[in-house]
Amino acid sequence: QKEVEQDPGPLSVPEGAIVSLNCTYSNSAFQYFMWYRQYSRKGPELLMYTYSSGNKEDGRFTAQVDKSSKYISLFIRDSQPSDSATYLCAFNAGGTSYGKLTFGQGTILTVHP
Amino acid sequence: GAVVSQHPSRVICKSGTSVKIECRSLDFQATTMFWYRQFPKQSLMLMATSNEGSKATYEQGVEKDKFLINHASLTLSTLTVTSAHPEDSSFYICSAPGTVNNEKLFFGSGTQLSVL
Repeated sequence: QKEVEQDPGPLSVPEGAIVSLNCTYSNSAFQYFMWYRQYSRKGPELLMYTYSSGNKEDGRFTAQVDKSSKYISLFIRDSQPSDSATYLCAFNAGGTSYGKLTFGQGTILTVHP
Repeated sequence: GAVVSQHPSRVICKSGTSVKIECRSLDFQATTMFWYRQFPKQSLMLMATSNEGSKATYEQGVEKDKFLINHASLTLSTLTVTSAHPEDSSFYICSAPGTVNNEKLFFGSGTQLSVL
């Protein structure tokens, strides 16, 4: 079983739609949960960071973590064409390995006008 | 968030040559930086941890003699791919931890290396 499973998509939605992106994980040592956005041939940009179960909202983005089910989600409201990118979930066990993020394989999202 | 600058953004080189990639933390100090690699249609994988003032630590399977890392100052880490071969062609990305929460990593813009 992979440590992280993320549906690669691709996902295509119309502008204004609500987008739901999901990852499951198996490593109980993961304590920190992140979502990154990566445009083609660019470095990942941190969108959301959390370390507790529940919801965290930032503008049009909501990150949801369910530690008991080992499941995280990212919701994008009122999606825009500029949101078209690859979205990566990332996990960190913290401690001495704080620099080692385990990434999902990324979901390719296209928002069309 | 923290800004990490990476240079060059793209390199094309001949097989057997060496290529140096620079990673700088802008307006903050980073005693530790991380080098990741991303192959096409795959996710990022940590290659090595760059430590200011001491040797880098490498992940399992990464050749330390091939990927030389130097952390020359509190704001600069360099990765040199020595005697590059076509199989080293990849997207190399450096990152630095946040100053408050070091589990948050901020990434540079990446370097696309193509070895002919």
